[in-house]
Amino acid sequence: DAGVTQSPTHLIKTRGQHVTLRCSPISGHKSVSWYQQVLGQGPQFIFQYYEKEERGRGNFPDRFSARQFPNYSSELNVNALLLGDSALYLCASGLAGAYEQYFGPGTRLTVT
Amino acid sequence: AQSVTQLGSHVSVSEGALVLLRCNYSSSVPPYLFWYVQYPNQGLQLLLKYTSAATLVKGINGFEAEFKKSETSFHLTKPSAHMSDAAEYFCAVSDPKDFNKFYFGSGTKLNVKP
Repeated sequence: DAGVTQSPTHLIKTRGQHVTLRCSPISGHKSVSWYQQVLGQGPQFIFQYYEKEERGRGNFPDRFSARQFPNYSSELNVNALLLGDSALYLCASGLAGAYEQYFGPGTRLTVT
Repeated sequence: AQSVTQLGSHVSVSEGALVLLRCNYSSSVPPYLFWYVQYPNQGLQLLLKYTSAATLVKGINGFEAEFKKSETSFHLTKPSAHMSDAAEYFCAVSDPKDFNKFYFGSGTKLNVKP
């Protein structure tokens, strides 16, 4: 069975630009969560979606937004990129909520 | 908000020696607790989880962890380290008021010496 997939693998953007990251959950999983992992730190919770509704939000500015589609895939959008947004963005899927999550390989975003 | 503290950002052990990675959480209500492993340039893999059942939890690759409510701890152990265990390990806790939110510790890099 395919695991969680994320695209793109790597991305380089300039300050002020916008970025969209994509995630496809494991088949049958209806929950998707997004995390930001800055180099040398643990992942920080950004969003959790279940059945296409936002069920949890971390302490991130409104520049960060996400949505979940009818097929349960998800997009994370970040506007007005800052240098500090450079990080590995991880997506995780689960059957329900954040009880047990399976992580994708991540998207490495570099903002210059 | 919940918080997780992992003591020791780097731990080095010899192959065959005991592995002990420490994790303490802050919560008056026992949350769900997890250990994940991350190999370089990869995502996180679930090692084991505590969900208010048995306090001693066994996971994959010979790892286990014990939930101690009195110490608010969930330390990860493995009796005998293997070279393939070298990776970064993260302890995570879910918010008991909102299990949709996860909080990770800052991680412990395990080095295994031959």
